[in-house]
Amino acid sequence: QKEVEQDPGPLSVPEGAIVSLNCTYSNSAFQYFMWYRQYSRKGPELLMYTYSSGNKEDGRFTAQVDKSSKYISLFIRDSQPSDSATYLCATFQGGSEKLVFGKGTKLTVNP
Amino acid sequence: DGGITQSPKYLFRKEGQNVTLSCEQNLNHDAMYWYRQDPGQGLRLIYYSQIVNDFQKGDIAEGYSVSREKKESFPLTVTSAQKNPTAFYLCASGYTGVETEAFFGQGTRLTVV
Repeated sequence: QKEVEQDPGPLSVPEGAIVSLNCTYSNSAFQYFMWYRQYSRKGPELLMYTYSSGNKEDGRFTAQVDKSSKYISLFIRDSQPSDSATYLCATFQGGSEKLVFGKGTKLTVNP
Repeated sequence: DGGITQSPKYLFRKEGQNVTLSCEQNLNHDAMYWYRQDPGQGLRLIYYSQIVNDFQKGDIAEGYSVSREKKESFPLTVTSAQKNPTAFYLCASGYTGVETEAFFGQGTRLTVV
């Protein structure tokens, strides 16, 4: 079983929609989770990170961790065409510095 | 400006040749990583290093080699043993000891011709 699983999509939504991007992880020892945004042919940029359980909000973005179900989510409110990108979830393999990623979800926000 | 610099941005290689991709960071990060990205595959870890003169294999290390002689530098050599080297290569760095975020360079696109 992969450490992090992510639905690759693609996901297409109209401008202004609320977007929900999700990942599941396998090891309950994972505590630190990150979301990256990657535009085509560019390096990923860190969007948000969360530690342990709970929510973290930054502008239109909310990252959520549910440790009981091993589920992490990124919500985008009032989505914009500029949000069109691939979104990657990531975590550190428990007990090591090995940083592992989901496969990424490609999002298109249509004007 | 602090950051991670990968060079070159585009690289062409003939079959059977080794090629080295550069990754330099001035963020004072201890950990550095190399990933390969193919369409539909996400980011796959090639090698990572937590400290100078030490590194570990990732999930797809075969056909690749690395060195970590300086904290700032983590070059990746794609050898002729790598059967399918055409891909987008990404370097990242971060702190060790405390799990925290990693930052990426802008990538090198390698094409075998």
